[in-house]
This record gives sequence, C-alpha cells and structure tokens, in this order.
Amino acid sequence: DTGVSQNPRHKITKRGQNVTFRCDPISEHNRLYWYRQTLGQGPEFLTYFQNEAQLEKSRLLSDRFSAERPKGSFSTLEIQRTEQGDSAMYLCASSRGGQGDYGYTFGSGTRLTVV
Amino acid sequence: AQKITQTQPGMFVQEKEAVTLDCTYDTSDQSYGLFWYKQPSSGEMIFLIYQGSYDEQNATEGRYSLNFQKARKSANLVISASQLGDSAMYFCAMREGWAGGSYIPTFGRGTSLIVHP
Repeated sequence: DTGVSQNPRHKITKRGQNVTFRCDPISEHNRLYWYRQTLGQGPEFLTYFQNEAQLEKSRLLSDRFSAERPKGSFSTLEIQRTEQGDSAMYLCASSRGGQGDYGYTFGSGTRLTVV
Repeated sequence: AQKITQTQPGMFVQEKEAVTLDCTYDTSDQSYGLFWYKQPSSGEMIFLIYQGSYDEQNATEGRYSLNFQKARKSANLVISASQLGDSAMYFCAMREGWAGGSYIPTFGRGTSLIVHP
C-alpha cells in the first residue's frame, strides 16, 4: 500500500476550461475527503464520501464543482468553467471510518493554477 | 466562530531547542479528537499526533507531545530537540464526535515554524 495518490500533481488551465482531478485512497479505507487549501490558509473541507455515497458537501462547493466516487474506490473532483479564484491546492484524504477513527491519510495534493 | 484557533502565524526556534505551538479549540461535543499535522513545502500533510477527548494522558509520539488542557480547550504541540527538518507549516485540527456529525476534521490556519542552525 503506497498511501493516498493524487493526480496530476500540478495543473495549469485557462479561465473557463474544465479540469478533473483524481484521488486513489488507501484500499481498505471507506471514507474519502476532499479539501481545498489556498495560500497561507489551512485546508477547508469540500466534500466527503462513505464508500460510493457522497454524504456531505460544504457550501464552498459551488454548482461548478462535482465529485464522484464510483464503486467506492477512486474519486474524481471536476471543476467546470474554472475561475481565477479556484487556484488552490486540492487535497484528498482517506480514513477507515467508524467511531474513534483518527487515521486520516492525506495525498500530496493537486496544485491548480487558473490563468 | 472559528473552531480551531492558531494565534502564532510564525515561530522561530534554535536547533536542538524545544518549541511550543499553540492551538485552542471550540466545541460543545463531549467526544472529539485533536490532531496535529505537518506540511513541508512539498505540500503533503503528514500526521504527527492524536489526542482523544477522553484520553487522560497527554499523547506523545517520539519528539512530539500534545499538551492537552481540556478545561482551557487547548491542545498545544511541543516539539523537543528541534531539527532543521522540522521547518514547515503546522496545522491543528479537530474532529467532533458522532453526535455532532460526520468525523470531518476542521483545520486551523497553521503556524509556520523555522528552525535556525
């Protein structure tokens, strides 16, 4: 097991384009989280999945953002019609779930730059 | 209101000395968990230490210890014998209990630690 994998590591896109990021969690982890981190700030929660079900979404997740986790394995985060304000690091984390769960493992993130 | 407050934007410490990074939290849950993560310039978030709200002993992991003061709602990270490789951003986070929802960690704004040789 090599931990949580995120691809791509870096993405530069023009404003108005769509982008998609992928997260591969630790295989036995059934919970998966997406966070966004802007410069000088801590990670901010976007959404999370329990297996394939998307159970909670932050109000930060506008209708231009969509996330999926088909079959409860990898997850994708898509941003449509990107804006300069979307420039940030997008972090994915996974955990086993269940009461007392504290083993959140993060990936290295995808850094998005919208020009 | 902020759930996690880290009041020190930046800290400097001499190599081999100890340093304390402050964290206060706000919750009405009885069951919660507190975490510290390290984020070097490469961007990955590295788990350092965890403290459960019912744990009576302060958590320790190698050179890291968590000074948990429940009544004050503080969870300060102590790094002993600082090393140059400790230079990074440090984030305090809290996961509230099941009664509060969904085990989603909430992060503070972080403290930048620079270790001088």
